[in-house]
Amino acid sequence: EIVMTQSPATLSVSPGERATLSCRASQSVSSNLAWYQQRPGQAPRLLIYGASTRATGIPARFSGSGSGTEFTLTISSLQSEDFAVYYCQQYNDWPPLTFGGGTKVEIK
Amino acid sequence: QVQLVQSGTEVKKPGASVKVSCKASGYSFTNCAIHWVRQAPGQRLEWMGWINTVSGDTKYSQKFQGGVTITRDTSASTAYIELSSLTSEDTAVYYCATDSGNEVYFDYWGQGTLVTVSS
Repeated sequence: EIVMTQSPATLSVSPGERATLSCRASQSVSSNLAWYQQRPGQAPRLLIYGASTRATGIPARFSGSGSGTEFTLTISSLQSEDFAVYYCQQYNDWPPLTFGGGTKVEIK
Repeated sequence: QVQLVQSGTEVKKPGASVKVSCKASGYSFTNCAIHWVRQAPGQRLEWMGWINTVSGDTKYSQKFQGGVTITRDTSASTAYIELSSLTSEDTAVYYCATDSGNEVYFDYWGQGTLVTVSS
């Protein structure tokens, strides 16, 4: 099973600032990585797939990068609606599909 | 637009079973597989299993194998997950989600169904 590890667990950021979230895989997942946003009480929402491709309707301030075992999600200028929990998920080798533990982006 | 609408909150006693439904609309049901993902309180998302909506073939996470059954009714555009021999550790929100068809990330999600197991 591929283990996904996200850091930091919590990120405190002021509105308008940049946020950088990390995701590491226990073995290479190539570019088969997705990022999701989950607001309180809501289902996750797909942000990024293929490590760097924004999903339909996702603002350009969200960008993904990386390949192999190291990945980054960057939110260039945080808006109020961006304060949420973010998860990465690998789909290179399954079953099982696996998620990271999440990074909570909170208001500083 | 694509919608996945799940059945409502369930409260069950330990040892009981529960069946959660996921009704799809806005696309042809057999165009996409359906996955089930669990989120226990304060925990990460956990993939439970998958059903090919055309063939009915299933794959399960080893963690849930034996305690979970995923089925579908193509005439009703609905997928189901049944959990048996419930324990308090099964208390969670259960989500259904579709994959893109080519790659296995989740592009549409149901609203989630809370299952509470308590004596």
